[in-house]
Amino acid sequence: AQKITQTQPGMFVQEKEAVTLDCTYDTSDPSYGLFWYKQPSSGEMIFLIYQGSYDQQNATEGRYSLNFQKARKSANLVISASQLGDSAMYFCAMRERNTGNQFYFGTGTSLTVIP
Amino acid sequence: EAQVTQNPRYLITVTGKKLTVTCSQNMNHEYMSWYRQDPGLGLRQIYYSMNVEATDKGDVPEGYKVSRKEKRNFPLILESPSPNQTSLYFCASSPPPLGGAADTQYFGPGTRLTVL
Repeated sequence: AQKITQTQPGMFVQEKEAVTLDCTYDTSDPSYGLFWYKQPSSGEMIFLIYQGSYDQQNATEGRYSLNFQKARKSANLVISASQLGDSAMYFCAMRERNTGNQFYFGTGTSLTVIP
Repeated sequence: EAQVTQNPRYLITVTGKKLTVTCSQNMNHEYMSWYRQDPGLGLRQIYYSMNVEATDKGDVPEGYKVSRKEKRNFPLILESPSPNQTSLYFCASSPPPLGGAADTQYFGPGTRLTVL
């Protein structure tokens, strides 16, 4: 079974609008961390935001927020007020704390911001 | 500056010619890992290492070797490369999982490998 599932291969959003990128995960470990990374066309991997399994509140970092629904095992990334520079691949990832040995990545979502 | 470095950044080689991609980090991280990225498949873990002399297979280890003789270095070795190993490779490092945003991985710039 896939540990991380991203069902949206590609997304389009109008500049200044908000967009939600979906991510669901699968784990039996009660302690885990969820991460989102951005990969622009230049190729580097940029860490965006983190959510811990025991965190009571949804994580926020500037225009990025994470809609964490633990019972549904989803960790969707919300980007508010999209900018042209947000056009990139976005990857959701998970690290199980009790093993801590592996990071699991989704297949990514390609986001295009339209002027 | 805290960073993960990889060399070379680009490599074109031929089937069967042994090659090594180096990876080094200056953050004293215990955990290091290698990934390959292919279109539509995301990042898949090849090997990881929890510390010196402690390595383990990830999801796609076939055709690769690694070693961890020093904490800062984690080279990826392709003993006999084949065309299906043409990919974008990332090295990454992180501290042990203590819970928090610091558990994130720090990625190298990537190595684009083409095997003819």
